[in-house]
Amino acid sequence: GNSVTQMEGPVTLSEEAFLTINCTYTATGYPSLFWYVQYPGEGLQLLLKATKADDKGSNKGFEATYRKETTSFHLEKGSVQVSDSAVYFCALRIPGNQFYFGTGTSLTVIP
Amino acid sequence: EAQVTQNPRYLITVTGKKLTVTCSQNMNHEYMSWYRQDPGLGLRQIYYSMNVEVTDKGDVPEGYKVSRKEKRNFPLILESPSPNQTSLYFCASSLSSDRMRAFFGQGTRLTVV
Repeated sequence: GNSVTQMEGPVTLSEEAFLTINCTYTATGYPSLFWYVQYPGEGLQLLLKATKADDKGSNKGFEATYRKETTSFHLEKGSVQVSDSAVYFCALRIPGNQFYFGTGTSLTVIP
Repeated sequence: EAQVTQNPRYLITVTGKKLTVTCSQNMNHEYMSWYRQDPGLGLRQIYYSMNVEVTDKGDVPEGYKVSRKEKRNFPLILESPSPNQTSLYFCASSLSSDRMRAFFGQGTRLTVV
Protein backbone atom coordinates (compact mmCIF):
# COMPACT_ATOMS: atom_id res chain seq x y z
CA GLY A 1 0.00 0.00 0.00
CA ASN A 2 0.89 3.67 0.04
CA SER A 3 1.89 5.46 3.21
CA VAL A 4 4.04 8.24 4.62
CA THR A 5 5.89 8.13 7.91
CA GLN A 6 7.37 11.26 9.39
CA MET A 7 9.12 11.92 12.64
CA GLU A 8 6.92 12.66 15.57
CA GLY A 9 7.05 15.98 17.25
CA PRO A 10 6.80 18.34 18.74
CA VAL A 11 10.17 19.78 17.78
CA THR A 12 11.47 22.84 19.59
CA LEU A 13 14.53 24.68 18.30
CA SER A 14 16.29 27.91 19.01
CA GLU A 15 16.41 30.54 16.31
CA GLU A 16 19.18 29.92 13.74
CA ALA A 17 19.40 26.23 14.61
CA PHE A 18 19.55 23.54 11.92
CA LEU A 19 16.30 21.74 11.18
CA THR A 20 15.75 18.20 9.94
CA ILE A 21 12.34 16.56 9.79
CA ASN A 22 12.54 12.97 8.61
CA CYS A 23 10.06 11.52 6.14
CA THR A 24 10.00 8.07 4.58
CA TYR A 25 7.41 6.61 2.28
CA THR A 26 6.01 3.42 0.86
CA ALA A 27 4.42 3.59 -2.55
CA THR A 28 3.48 1.54 -5.54
CA GLY A 29 4.70 2.97 -8.78
CA TYR A 30 6.48 6.32 -8.99
CA PRO A 31 5.05 8.90 -6.62
CA SER A 32 5.64 12.62 -6.44
CA LEU A 33 6.67 13.91 -3.02
CA PHE A 34 5.67 17.08 -1.21
CA TRP A 35 6.11 19.06 1.94
CA TYR A 36 3.15 21.14 3.07
CA VAL A 37 3.18 23.69 5.88
CA GLN A 38 0.27 24.70 8.10
CA TYR A 39 0.62 27.95 10.00
CA PRO A 40 -1.60 28.48 13.04
CA GLY A 41 -5.22 29.00 12.07
CA GLU A 42 -4.58 28.50 8.38
CA GLY A 43 -4.93 25.79 5.76
CA LEU A 44 -2.10 23.85 4.22
CA GLN A 45 0.27 25.54 1.83
CA LEU A 46 2.61 23.81 -0.55
CA LEU A 47 6.18 24.35 0.63
CA LEU A 48 8.13 22.33 -1.92
CA LYS A 49 7.87 19.30 -4.15
CA ALA A 50 9.90 16.77 -6.13
CA THR A 51 8.57 14.67 -8.94
CA LYS A 52 11.29 12.10 -9.57
CA ALA A 53 14.29 10.43 -7.97
CA ASP A 54 17.21 12.72 -7.11
CA ASP A 55 15.12 15.87 -7.62
CA LYS A 56 15.66 18.52 -4.96
CA GLY A 57 12.76 20.72 -4.00
CA SER A 58 13.52 24.07 -2.36
CA ASN A 59 11.64 27.10 -1.13
CA LYS A 60 12.10 29.76 1.57
CA GLY A 61 15.40 28.21 2.64
CA PHE A 62 13.90 24.74 3.03
CA GLU A 63 15.18 21.81 0.98
CA ALA A 64 14.31 18.17 0.48
CA THR A 65 15.81 15.59 -1.89
CA TYR A 66 13.84 12.67 -3.34
CA ARG A 67 15.91 9.59 -2.43
CA LYS A 68 14.50 6.52 -4.09
CA GLU A 69 17.14 4.17 -2.69
CA THR A 70 16.19 5.03 0.87
CA THR A 71 12.56 5.97 0.09
CA SER A 72 13.03 9.24 1.93
CA PHE A 73 12.28 12.93 1.52
CA HIS A 74 13.74 14.62 4.59
CA LEU A 75 13.08 18.32 5.10
CA GLU A 76 16.03 20.53 6.05
CA LYS A 77 16.71 24.16 6.75
CA GLY A 78 20.05 25.58 7.74
CA SER A 79 18.84 28.37 10.02
CA VAL A 80 15.28 28.45 11.29
CA GLN A 81 13.40 31.57 12.26
CA VAL A 82 10.56 32.17 14.69
CA SER A 83 8.26 32.63 11.68
CA ASP A 84 8.93 29.01 10.66
CA SER A 85 6.91 27.80 13.63
CA ALA A 86 4.17 25.67 12.08
CA VAL A 87 3.10 22.10 11.45
CA TYR A 88 4.85 20.38 8.55
CA PHE A 89 3.31 17.55 6.56
CA CYS A 90 5.10 15.20 4.24
CA ALA A 91 2.91 13.82 1.46
CA LEU A 92 3.04 11.68 -1.63
CA ARG A 93 0.83 11.64 -4.65
CA ILE A 94 0.34 8.64 -6.81
CA PRO A 95 -0.87 8.81 -10.39
CA GLY A 96 -4.61 9.35 -10.27
CA ASN A 97 -4.32 12.37 -8.03
CA GLN A 98 -4.70 10.82 -4.59
CA PHE A 99 -2.56 12.29 -1.84
CA TYR A 100 -1.28 10.44 1.20
CA PHE A 101 -0.16 12.56 4.12
CA GLY A 102 2.05 11.93 7.10
CA THR A 103 0.80 12.71 10.59
CA GLY A 104 2.47 16.11 10.73
CA THR A 105 5.37 17.45 12.78
CA SER A 106 4.88 20.50 14.94
CA LEU A 107 7.85 22.88 14.97
CA THR A 108 8.28 25.68 17.50
CA VAL A 109 11.19 28.06 17.11
CA ILE A 110 12.08 30.12 20.16
CA PRO A 111 14.01 33.41 20.03
CA GLU B 1 -7.24 36.65 -5.10
CA ALA B 2 -7.04 32.93 -5.74
CA GLN B 3 -8.57 31.06 -2.86
CA VAL B 4 -10.51 28.11 -1.55
CA THR B 5 -13.25 29.18 0.85
CA GLN B 6 -14.88 26.90 3.37
CA ASN B 7 -17.91 27.67 5.52
CA PRO B 8 -18.45 27.54 8.36
CA ARG B 9 -15.03 27.75 10.01
CA TYR B 10 -16.36 26.37 13.28
CA LEU B 11 -19.45 24.29 13.97
CA ILE B 12 -20.82 22.47 16.97
CA THR B 13 -23.78 20.20 16.30
CA VAL B 14 -25.66 17.31 17.82
CA THR B 15 -25.63 13.69 16.77
CA GLY B 16 -27.95 12.96 13.87
CA LYS B 17 -28.59 16.51 12.74
CA LYS B 18 -27.77 16.81 9.04
CA LEU B 19 -25.19 19.39 8.11
CA THR B 20 -23.37 20.69 5.06
CA VAL B 21 -19.92 22.23 4.90
CA THR B 22 -19.50 24.32 1.78
CA CYS B 23 -16.35 24.67 -0.29
CA SER B 24 -15.91 27.11 -3.12
CA GLN B 25 -12.89 27.90 -5.31
CA ASN B 26 -12.42 30.80 -7.72
CA MET B 27 -9.60 29.35 -9.83
CA ASN B 28 -11.64 27.29 -12.29
CA HIS B 29 -10.00 24.13 -10.99
CA GLU B 30 -11.32 20.81 -12.19
CA TYR B 31 -10.10 18.74 -9.27
CA MET B 32 -11.45 19.17 -5.74
CA SER B 33 -11.21 17.03 -2.64
CA TRP B 34 -12.06 16.81 1.05
CA TYR B 35 -9.76 15.72 3.87
CA ARG B 36 -10.14 15.25 7.56
CA GLN B 37 -7.26 15.89 9.92
CA ASP B 38 -7.05 14.00 13.19
CA PRO B 39 -4.26 13.94 15.79
CA GLY B 40 -1.80 11.15 15.12
CA LEU B 41 -3.44 10.29 11.80
CA GLY B 42 -2.55 13.29 9.64
CA LEU B 43 -4.83 14.10 6.73
CA ARG B 44 -6.99 11.45 5.20
CA GLN B 45 -8.93 11.88 2.00
CA ILE B 46 -12.70 11.55 2.25
CA TYR B 47 -13.91 12.15 -1.31
CA TYR B 48 -12.58 13.72 -4.44
CA SER B 49 -13.95 15.00 -7.72
CA MET B 50 -12.14 15.08 -11.04
CA ASN B 51 -14.73 17.38 -12.63
CA VAL B 52 -18.40 18.34 -12.61
CA GLU B 53 -20.65 15.37 -11.87
CA VAL B 54 -17.61 13.10 -11.31
CA THR B 55 -16.94 12.11 -7.71
CA ASP B 56 -15.14 9.19 -6.11
CA LYS B 57 -14.38 7.81 -2.68
CA GLY B 58 -11.14 8.48 -0.89
CA ASP B 59 -9.78 6.53 2.06
CA VAL B 60 -12.47 7.34 4.64
CA PRO B 61 -15.80 8.00 2.86
CA GLU B 62 -18.13 6.33 5.35
CA GLY B 63 -20.70 8.72 6.79
CA TYR B 64 -20.09 11.42 4.18
CA LYS B 65 -21.61 12.47 0.88
CA VAL B 66 -20.50 15.01 -1.69
CA SER B 67 -21.88 16.57 -4.83
CA ARG B 68 -20.32 18.46 -7.71
CA LYS B 69 -23.07 20.17 -9.65
CA GLU B 70 -20.90 23.15 -10.54
CA LYS B 71 -17.19 23.43 -11.08
CA ARG B 72 -16.57 25.95 -8.31
CA ASN B 73 -18.47 24.23 -5.48
CA PHE B 74 -17.90 20.93 -3.70
CA PRO B 75 -20.02 20.65 -0.56
CA LEU B 76 -19.44 17.97 2.06
CA ILE B 77 -22.63 16.54 3.51
CA LEU B 78 -23.01 14.66 6.78
CA GLU B 79 -26.48 13.12 6.69
CA SER B 80 -26.38 11.87 10.28
CA PRO B 81 -23.27 13.12 12.06
CA SER B 82 -21.76 11.08 14.86
CA PRO B 83 -19.17 12.01 17.49
CA ASN B 84 -16.43 10.12 15.62
CA GLN B 85 -16.79 12.69 12.86
CA THR B 86 -15.53 15.39 15.19
CA SER B 87 -12.48 16.58 13.29
CA LEU B 88 -10.81 19.35 11.34
CA TYR B 89 -11.87 19.29 7.69
CA PHE B 90 -9.99 20.71 4.73
CA CYS B 91 -11.16 21.27 1.19
CA ALA B 92 -8.58 21.42 -1.61
CA SER B 93 -8.58 22.14 -5.33
CA SER B 94 -6.13 21.95 -8.20
CA LEU B 95 -5.92 22.15 -11.96
CA SER B 96 -6.02 18.85 -13.81
CA SER B 97 -3.06 20.11 -15.84
CA ASP B 98 -1.12 20.91 -12.66
CA ARG B 99 -2.25 18.35 -10.13
CA MET B 100 0.90 18.79 -8.13
CA ARG B 101 -0.19 22.11 -6.74
CA ALA B 102 -3.20 21.79 -4.48
CA PHE B 103 -4.73 24.86 -2.84
CA PHE B 104 -6.27 24.27 0.58
CA GLY B 105 -9.05 26.06 2.38
CA GLN B 106 -8.60 27.35 5.92
CA GLY B 107 -10.35 24.41 7.49
CA THR B 108 -13.63 23.74 9.27
CA ARG B 109 -13.49 22.56 12.86
CA LEU B 110 -16.51 20.36 13.49
CA THR B 111 -17.59 19.08 16.88
CA VAL B 112 -20.41 16.55 17.11
CA VAL B 113 -21.83 16.07 20.59
